[in-house]
Amino acid sequence: DTAVSQTPKYLVTQMGNDKSIKCEQNLGHDTMYWYKQDSKKFLKIMFSYNNKELIINETVPNRFSPKSPDKAHLNLHINSLELGDSAVYFCASSQRLYGGANTGELFFGEGSRLTVL
Amino acid sequence: DQQVKQNSPSLSVQEGRISILNCDYTNSMFDYFLWYKKYPAEGPTFLISISSIKDKNEDGRFTVFLNKSAKHLSLHIVPSQPGDSAVYFCAATQSLTSGTYKYIFGTGTRLKVLA
Repeated sequence: DTAVSQTPKYLVTQMGNDKSIKCEQNLGHDTMYWYKQDSKKFLKIMFSYNNKELIINETVPNRFSPKSPDKAHLNLHINSLELGDSAVYFCASSQRLYGGANTGELFFGEGSRLTVL
Repeated sequence: DQQVKQNSPSLSVQEGRISILNCDYTNSMFDYFLWYKKYPAEGPTFLISISSIKDKNEDGRFTVFLNKSAKHLSLHIVPSQPGDSAVYFCAATQSLTSGTYKYIFGTGTRLKVLA
């Protein structure tokens, strides 16, 4: 049973289109993230939500809008796609640390490879 | 400004020998350091972590060492196996006022274990 699942796994689209990537976690975690892995393989944080509340919003174009309908879901919508948006997008989740009782491990989905033509 | 750096993009090691992957960081306020392993077309998976108050953590063939004065950590894999061939990411956590954490990743080191 997949812990963090994202759909679609592959997405090919034309410049200027609008697309969404969905993410769901069944781990009961409070916090979810979106990461972007670009052509240089750098894993860069984009957004984080904690219990549906936005807590991290890195320098990301306004064309990217995350939406968290509940704490188990964090979707990413991208408007007016550009060539530079081509990347692998990873969703992840974690639980808050309580007194260092756990490692606060980040669980990743399999990634969604977006190709903009 | 990259706060977590992995300066070796790749490493090749013979099966059975030790693999040492290195990571440097700049922020002395990081709370935890983690290593992730990533196979092609899969998401990164957690391998091992270490609290900033410790200097060593061991789990089977994997040991992570933390040198806070040098702001350096390393992952040792002994003995290395062909199945260890993957990209390894170093990550550090930064506390946020919301009580949650921001995970900052290095650029990864591709390990190839030769049979």
